[in-house]
Amino acid sequence: DIQMTQSPSSLSASVGDRVTITCRASQSISSYLNWYQQKPGKAPKLLIYAASSLQSGVPSRFSGSGSGTDFTLTISSLQPEDFATYYCQQSYSTPDSFGQGTKLEIK
Amino acid sequence: QVQLQESGPGLVKPSQTLSLTCTVSGGSISSGSYYWSWIRQPAGKGLEWIGRIYTSGSTNYNPSLKSRVTISVDTSKNQFSLKLSSVTAADTAVYYCASLSRVVIGDYYYYYMDVWGKGTTVTVSS
Repeated sequence: DIQMTQSPSSLSASVGDRVTITCRASQSISSYLNWYQQKPGKAPKLLIYAASSLQSGVPSRFSGSGSGTDFTLTISSLQPEDFATYYCQQSYSTPDSFGQGTKLEIK
Repeated sequence: QVQLQESGPGLVKPSQTLSLTCTVSGGSISSGSYYWSWIRQPAGKGLEWIGRIYTSGSTNYNPSLKSRVTISVDTSKNQFSLKLSSVTAADTAVYYCASLSRVVIGDYYYYYMDVWGKGTTVTVSS
């Protein structure tokens, strides 16, 4: 099975900050990497698919990059509604697997 | 736009079988571009992929649960279902259903879960 590791596990930032979250796969997954945002009590929401493609309706301040084993999610200018938990997920091989999550909190 | 809604008992006794249904609205479950997935999340923890089914009936399961999981589809009702047998307290979680969409980029297919149900909480307790 492919293990996904995110860093950091938690992050404090301010509105307007640029934030980067990292996801590392235990083996190469090419660009089969998706990013989700989850707010408390809500289902996850797809942000980025195929490592760098922005899901329709998602603000352009979100971007993804990387391939192989190392990936990043960047939020260019944090907005109040962006404080949430973020998960990466690989779709290269079953079982699909998620990172442990990165909780983004207000500083 | 497709919408998904989970339903089923919120309380299941240990050793019994957890049964949940996901109803698809706003589109046909038989659409050829979709797989249908189940994911769960224990309180305060991360997401765990349970498995998925294609409308043809072919399935993929998480090996950690495979001996206890069955996912099925009922195209006549526009629903798909999850059964998890021999449950324990460790199976207590919020259970989500989701649609798995596919896009072609270059020569490759990429898959992602773009529509999720709101989730349903299942507690395993006597």
